[in-house]
Amino acid sequence: DGGITQSPKYLFRKEGQNVTLSCEQNLNHDAMYWYRQDPGQGLRLIYYSQIVNDFQKGDIAEGYSVSREKKESFPLTVTSAQKNPTAFYLCASSRTETGNQPQHFGDGTRLSIL
Amino acid sequence: GQQLNQSPQSMFIQEGEDVSMNCTSSSIFNTWLWYKQDPGEGPVLLIALYKAGELTSNGRLTAQFGITRKDSFLNISASIPSDVGIYFCAGRKYGGATNKLIFGTGTLLAVQP
Repeated sequence: DGGITQSPKYLFRKEGQNVTLSCEQNLNHDAMYWYRQDPGQGLRLIYYSQIVNDFQKGDIAEGYSVSREKKESFPLTVTSAQKNPTAFYLCASSRTETGNQPQHFGDGTRLSIL
Repeated sequence: GQQLNQSPQSMFIQEGEDVSMNCTSSSIFNTWLWYKQDPGEGPVLLIALYKAGELTSNGRLTAQFGITRKDSFLNISASIPSDVGIYFCAGRKYGGATNKLIFGTGTLLAVQP
C-alpha cells in the first residue's frame, strides 16, 4: 500500500546524544515536511524539502538537521543542541511544493529524554 | 510562526449530537484543510476546500470555506463514539509561494455513548 512510514514509533534519547528519525514515502511525492507536536499545540514546521538535495528551515529549525538524498526519504536528526526534544514528531508529504496539494502524514515518532 | 485560532478547544457531547468547530485567521487563505488525529497516530485528511464559499461533505462531515477567506468551519452530524479525537484545521495563505500550511491548535472531541 502507498503511504508514509515513520520509524521508530518510540525513541529515547540520552543527554548529549543525537538521534535520527526515519521517514519514507512511496507516494512519489515531491515535497516532504517535518513537524513537531506538543500537547495542546498545533503542528509546528521544523524543515521542509521541495526536491531532492534541497531543503529549507521552517519555524523551529534550531537544534535539528535534515537531508534529502533520495526522493522517498527525508530523515530528521535531533541534535544535542535541541534542549527540549521531548515531543511527537510527524512527517508529511505532498505531490508538489507549490499549488494546493494537501499534505498526508505518517503515524509519528514519539521522542523522550532518558 | 503563526497559528490559526481554532475553537472550541474541547467538546464533550452525547452520542447522536451534532458538532460544530471553526478556525479563523487574520490573513486571507486560499486553501483550508480539516484533519482528524487519533491518539498516537498521524493526522488524517478529512476535507479539502479551495474556493471561497465552497461547501463540501464527506459522509457525516461538512466543511465550508468562509466567504471572507479568513475562516472555515467543520460540522459533524449525528456523532458516534469513533468520532473521538483531535480535529485540526490547516490553511495556506493567499499569495504564498509554497505549500506551507499553518495549523490550528486543535479541537478535542469526546463522545459519550
